Amino acid sequence: NAGVTQTPKFRILKIGQSMTLQCTQDMNHNYMYWYRQDPGMGLKLIYYSVGAGITDKGEVPNGYNVSRSTTEDFPLRLELAAPSQTSVYFCATKTRYLETQYFGPGTRLLVL
Amino acid sequence: AQSVTQLDSQVPVFEEAPVELRCNYSSSVSVYLFWYVQYPNQGLQLLLKYLSGSTLVESINGFEAEFNKSQTSFHLRKPSVHISDTAEYFCAVSAPPQGGSEKLVFGKGTKLTVNP
Repeated sequence: NAGVTQTPKFRILKIGQSMTLQCTQDMNHNYMYWYRQDPGMGLKLIYYSVGAGITDKGEVPNGYNVSRSTTEDFPLRLELAAPSQTSVYFCATKTRYLETQYFGPGTRLLVL
Repeated sequence: AQSVTQLDSQVPVFEEAPVELRCNYSSSVSVYLFWYVQYPNQGLQLLLKYLSGSTLVESINGFEAEFNKSQTSFHLRKPSVHISDTAEYFCAVSAPPQGGSEKLVFGKGTKLTVNP
């Protein structure tokens, strides 16, 4: 099993461009999460999903959008990229009945 | 809502010395507590967790943490650290499903550097 995979690993965007960060899992987990990690700030929840077709906002959703059409995929969309979105983005999953979240390797995004 | 405070942003220690990474939380409901570790340029991995039962929990690589409800703390300890323990450690809290959401709230992290 690959677990949680994220693509791309690294990307440079210009201000105003858009992109989609991909997250795919093969563990059949219901719950999926998107976090951003900034130095010295820990991880902040952007969006999460408790199953296909269901998404909800986290602590810092502004400037992002998500969709969850399948159990496996949970893409994060950035529209009109801004320098404040420079960060490392992590996707995570968990089952409904166990509390451990499993993290992907992350996507490093630089907006210039 | 829950919150987590990690009292030290950086902790330098020498190899084979003991270490304690401090974590305090606040919550109006009962909580689950976690320590995650992030090695350089990697994602986070679960180190250990407290859900219920014994207040002392251990990891497979020698770390332990004790849930102290009266002091709302979940400090992480290791009696003798190795160079390979150099990483960033995150304390996190969530509420059990019946008590709230199933979201993790993270502390800001503590960078542990083990020097030879």
